Order: sequence, then structure tokens, then C-alpha cells
Amino acid sequence: DQQVKQNSPSLSVQEGRISILNCDYTNSMFDYFLWYKKYPAEGPTFLISISSIKDKNEDGRFTVFLNKSAKHLSLHIVPSQPGDSAVYFCAASALRGAGSYQLTFGKGTKLSVIP
Amino acid sequence: GAVVSQHPSRVICKSGTSVKIECRSLDFQATTMFWYRQFPKQSLMLMATSNEGSKATYEQGVEKDKFLINHASLTLSTLTVTSAHPEDSSFYICSARPPGGAGANVLTFGAGSRLTVL
Repeated sequence: DQQVKQNSPSLSVQEGRISILNCDYTNSMFDYFLWYKKYPAEGPTFLISISSIKDKNEDGRFTVFLNKSAKHLSLHIVPSQPGDSAVYFCAASALRGAGSYQLTFGKGTKLSVIP
Repeated sequence: GAVVSQHPSRVICKSGTSVKIECRSLDFQATTMFWYRQFPKQSLMLMATSNEGSKATYEQGVEKDKFLINHASLTLSTLTVTSAHPEDSSFYICSARPPGGAGANVLTFGAGSRLTVL
């Protein structure tokens, strides 16, 4: 049972346009959400995050929106650049025992930005 | 920024042999490190939590005798895949949570180790 779902395995966007990557989750205990970017043969790198008490967080070209009632979040990249081409993972965090957090990842969405 | 180094990046071994993967936090101490595995077109799955000075905590379905984890110091965790078989071929990634930064939830990942078992 996948608790974090990225239903689009791939997305192609023209350079300069907006990229919108979507993520849905089922576990209402998740209280922190993150986006990671991954290039082939490399580990994921942290991109942006949002706490469940907020509905928007912006960092330069990247904005994450959270809709708690719909259990949905999205990552907006504008304007998209060819260097943004990568796999984007949505992750959600929940508190486990002994004060530790566990990250649960989606399957990722491969973004291709076409020059 | 915080860096997690993983070695080797790529390893090919024969079935039945054991392979050790190292994960180091280069500029911070990590009492806890996390080992993930990723199969093609799948999400990163947490295998185990490595605890410095104590036993690792394994996720359900992960064989602890198959995947030996040792966290001997505050900057080094090792994952040993014992008696590897072709089905163990995967991308193994370690991570750690650096102090401060974006918060307790943010993990820094190593570059990953691609294991191919022939």
C-alpha cells in the first residue's frame, strides 16, 4: 500500500514554461513534506519542503503548495530550465517512536525540460 | 553544506559473495544513518536505520542476516550484503540527518551504490 503517490511517471515541459509535479498521500499522520531531485547514478538532493501547518512555501523558482484537505501537494517550477531535467521525488515525514522521523517516498516523476 | 560520501559507487560481484558498502558523513557526526534501496522505476524504500554503538533497526521484510549493518563510529556506517544473489542487484543509498539546516526531517543522501550480482 503506497502512502505517497506520484501518479505521473514522466512530464515534458518547454523551456521557460511552468512545470507542475503532483503528489498525493494517504497517511494523515504525515506532518512534513519534501521534494528531492535526483540525477541518474546520483543520490537525491533536497530541494524544498513544507510543514503541514502551511499551505505554501516558495524558494526562488520553486514553490510547493499543500492542500491538506485533499491530501495533495504540488511542486511548481517557473520558469523551467533544461538543467531542471531530473527525477523528482515527493517524500512525507511522520514521527515514529523515540522521537525519530521516517521519510516515505513516492515513485518519482521524470521531468524533461525541452530547450 | 553537509556531505554524505558513499563507496563504492558501482560494484559487480559473483553470486554467493559478500559486498560491503561504506557510508561516511564528511563534515558532521551522525548517530543515525539510514539505508535505502531503489529498484528501477520504484521509490526509495527504507531498509534499515543504523544506530551508532547499537544494533540497527530493520524495516519489515528486510532480512537482518542478509543485510548486515555496522555503525562503528559517528561518521561511518557500513552495509554488507552477504551471499549476494542476482535479486539483490539494486541501487543502495545511504543518508544521514545533519544538525541544524532545514530541520529534523531533511536527509542528506550519498551518491548511491549500484550493485550488480552476476
